[in-house]
Amino acid sequence: DAGVIQSPRHEVTEMGQEVTLRCKPISGHDYLFWYRQTMMRGLELLIYFNNNVPIDDSGMPEDRFSAKMPNASFSTLKIQPSEPRDSAVYFCASSLSWGRLRNEQFFGPGTRLTVL
Amino acid sequence: SQKIEQNSEALNIQEGKTATLTCNYTNYSPAYLQWYRQDPGRGPVFLLLIRENEKEKRKERLKVTFDTTLKQSLFHITASQPADSATYLCALGTGGFKTIFGAGTRLFVKA
Repeated sequence: DAGVIQSPRHEVTEMGQEVTLRCKPISGHDYLFWYRQTMMRGLELLIYFNNNVPIDDSGMPEDRFSAKMPNASFSTLKIQPSEPRDSAVYFCASSLSWGRLRNEQFFGPGTRLTVL
Repeated sequence: SQKIEQNSEALNIQEGKTATLTCNYTNYSPAYLQWYRQDPGRGPVFLLLIRENEKEKRKERLKVTFDTTLKQSLFHITASQPADSATYLCALGTGGFKTIFGAGTRLFVKA
């Protein structure tokens, strides 16, 4: 398996623009997590899904953020409109809820977002 | 309030020595605790997971302990090598698979 795939790897946009980050989890994993990492706040959980259903979105900072998981192999995190304070590295991770490897999270390479 | 605390200052040790990193938490009752390694510009990489009913776990040169009474986990790297230099994150697994990460501790191993 190629691991968790994220795109784009880097995104530079201007304030007010819409940004869409994409994630393909590891095949067979039933949990998917979106995190944001900054120097000031560390790694923060934004939202997570189980079997494509959002379970907890309490970490989503504002209504400008939304996440979807239309199927088991794809998820998006959208920011509309973007603001400079959204600049961060966004990680997607996936895991299994069963078996010997359950709860171990596999992270993607991240998307570095810069909002000017 | 709920908190996870890791050594905020970097840890500098000599090659061959044992590195010990600390993770303390308050107002959580985690079902499990994990340790991850993160290198600059990369995503965290899973290292070890220890469940609430386990005291100790080992994997090669790594050892983690979990004391739910003290609300503390210790992470040890024995016979440390310069390649072990990285940031190490602890993460608490709470009910429903929600995972909360600490800020991480930077480890530097000098040759």
